[in-house]
Amino acid sequence: QSALTQPASVSGSPGQSITISCTGSSSDVGDYNYVSWYQQHPGKAPKLMIYEVTNRPSGVSDRFSGSKSGNTASLTISGLQAEDEADYYCSSYTSSSTELFGGGTKVTVL
Amino acid sequence: EVHLVESGGGLVKPGGSLRLSCAASGFSFSTYSINWVRQAPGKGLEWVSSISSSSTYIYYSDSVKGRFAISRDDAKNSLSLQMNSLRVEDTAVYYCARDGRGSTGRYFDYWGQGTLVTVSS
Repeated sequence: QSALTQPASVSGSPGQSITISCTGSSSDVGDYNYVSWYQQHPGKAPKLMIYEVTNRPSGVSDRFSGSKSGNTASLTISGLQAEDEADYYCSSYTSSSTELFGGGTKVTVL
Repeated sequence: EVHLVESGGGLVKPGGSLRLSCAASGFSFSTYSINWVRQAPGKGLEWVSSISSSSTYIYYSDSVKGRFAISRDDAKNSLSLQMNSLRVEDTAVYYCARDGRGSTGRYFDYWGQGTLVTVSS
C-alpha cells in the first residue's frame, strides 16, 4: 500500500492558521474515523496531537484541530507559534487491519 | 508515568538477524496493544507491526511480513521484534508505541525514544 498523501511543506506567519491535508482512499481514510496526527521535532519521538479524526489528547493545545471529508483528512493549526515548527504525520487504520502513515509535512513558521 | 524503552539496535550485515526489545512501565502492559514503527534516516514514519493483548491479533506490514516476528511477555512487561533476513532498506530508528485504542482502529499515544538499526556490509 502507498503512503497517504501529504504536502511536503506548509508555512505561515506567527498568529496565522494553516491546514495540512492527508489524502487516502476508500480503504483507509474514507472508510474509518481512525485518523490520527503526530508532531515530530528533530531528533525526538513523535507526539500524538489528534486521534479518531477530531479528538485532542489531554495536554495538547486547542489550537490544533482535525477534520475529515471523504478520503481526505485535515489538521489545522490556529494561532501559529514558533514552537509549532516541526514535521507532521497523519496515519489511518486500513481495511487490512494495518496502519498507513502519510509522507510527512514540514511546517515552517516564517 | 508511562515509559517505553527500546534496546537491541546496532550494526548488522545484510541477511543477518537482530532482536529488538521494548521495556514498558507505568501502565497495565498486558491490557494494551503495542506496535513497532520505524523511521529511515531523513524519511517518514512507517508502521511495522502490532500485537494485541493476549497476543490474539498480530499484524505486519507487507515490507516485513515473513521476515519479522513480534512477540510479548506480559510477565516481564516487555515487547520483542525478531528481525531476520535483514536488508539495507530496513535501516531505521525503530520505535515501540502503545496503542491507546485497544480495539478496531489504533492510535499511538505513547512512544519510546527509539533504537537505531543499521544494515550494512
